[in-house]
Order: sequence, then C-alpha cells, then structure tokens
Amino acid sequence: EDQVTQSPEALRLQEGESSSLNCSYTVSGLRGLFWYRQDPGKGPEFLFTLYSAGEEKEKERLKATLTKKESFLHITAPKPEDSATYLCAVQPVRGGGNKLTFGTGTQLKVEL
Amino acid sequence: DTAVSQTPKYLVTQMGNDKSIKCEQNLGHDTMYWYKQDSKKFLKIMFSYNNKELIINETVPNRFSPKSPDKAHLNLHINSLELGDSAVYFCASSLGTGGSPLHFGNGTRLTVT
Repeated sequence: EDQVTQSPEALRLQEGESSSLNCSYTVSGLRGLFWYRQDPGKGPEFLFTLYSAGEEKEKERLKATLTKKESFLHITAPKPEDSATYLCAVQPVRGGGNKLTFGTGTQLKVEL
Repeated sequence: DTAVSQTPKYLVTQMGNDKSIKCEQNLGHDTMYWYKQDSKKFLKIMFSYNNKELIINETVPNRFSPKSPDKAHLNLHINSLELGDSAVYFCASSLGTGGSPLHFGNGTRLTVT
C-alpha cells in the first residue's frame, strides 16, 4: 500500500528564517509526486509536480526536490503569507485513474 | 471565475437524513473526483469519474452514490447520514488520468448531529 509521511507536523518560523519540509514516501512505482498548499477553509492549491529523482522545481520562495525515497519543500526567506498547511501526495504508476495518496501535511506558521 | 465550485459550502443535518453535494468545473477537464478530509486533515479519495465513467471507487459505504451527468459536473448523494460522515468533502478535477495535477474546490463541510 502506498504511504506518505510528512514531517514536521507543525513548524513555526520567523520571517526570513529559511527551512525545509520533508515528505517520505513508499510507492511501488512513482508516476508523480505532488505538493499542495492548503489555507484554512479552502481546498488544496497545486504547487508542483515532480516525476523523477533529481528533479527540482521552483516558484517564488519555494523549491521542491525529489529523491527515490523523499521529497523536500525548501522555503527561502519566508513571509507571513506563506503560512499554510503544505500537503504532499504520490501517484503510483500502477492502476487506473489518477489516484493520489496524501500525507497529513505540515502546518507552517511564519511570524513577523 | 471559480474553476471548481461546490455547493453548499456548509451542510448541517441530522442522522438518518439524505443530502446531496454538487460540483461543477469550468476548466474543460475530463476527470473529476470526490475526496474526504477528516478531522485530522487526512485527505482520502472516494470516487473518480473520467468522461462520465466511474473509474475509481474506493471502499466507501454504498450509502454514498456519485453521479456525473456530464464531464463538467459531479454530484455526491449520501443516504441515511451517520455521525461518522461528518467531514469536509472536496471535489477536484484534472485533465486526464496520467499524472496531471488535481484542482480542488473549496470544500463542503458536512456536520451530522
């Protein structure tokens, strides 16, 4: 069974204090690994898809990287508006459909 | 313009009632989903439709019945509601099923009393 574990569960940063969120996964054949951002009362908002080990993607202060066992979401010089829950999900190669298995997320709070 | 919209946003009802949640997407996607997010924020897939055909049906009680009248709409009907059905239900859509990202609606918070 596919599994996704995210750490830490919660993270408090000062504005400008860079850090990384971890997503460890187990899947028999990875089609894609997805990062989403979720604000309170909203649906998950797509950030990145990574398809193969060694791949990196960047968007503003966020950079996602992928190895064969885990993915990191690096946040450089975060701002209060980066506060949200960050979710990681994997899609296996096998099976039909576009079934994603999600982790339980990292709740990030960035303070002034 | 909202890409994936769900109604209602909040639904409070009593045990034993039947209720429906509606979802519409204007992204031109051909695949739609229902996900359930529990109190611990864990998101789990329930159903998926591709071109109106059911392609994913996870282990969900048969009190839950999805219906897709066309590619842009996916509804969820729930019979005989139970306390454990309380959760946030998210609709999502994607272009195809081959690894394209899902786009989510803002959820329907269902509370069963």
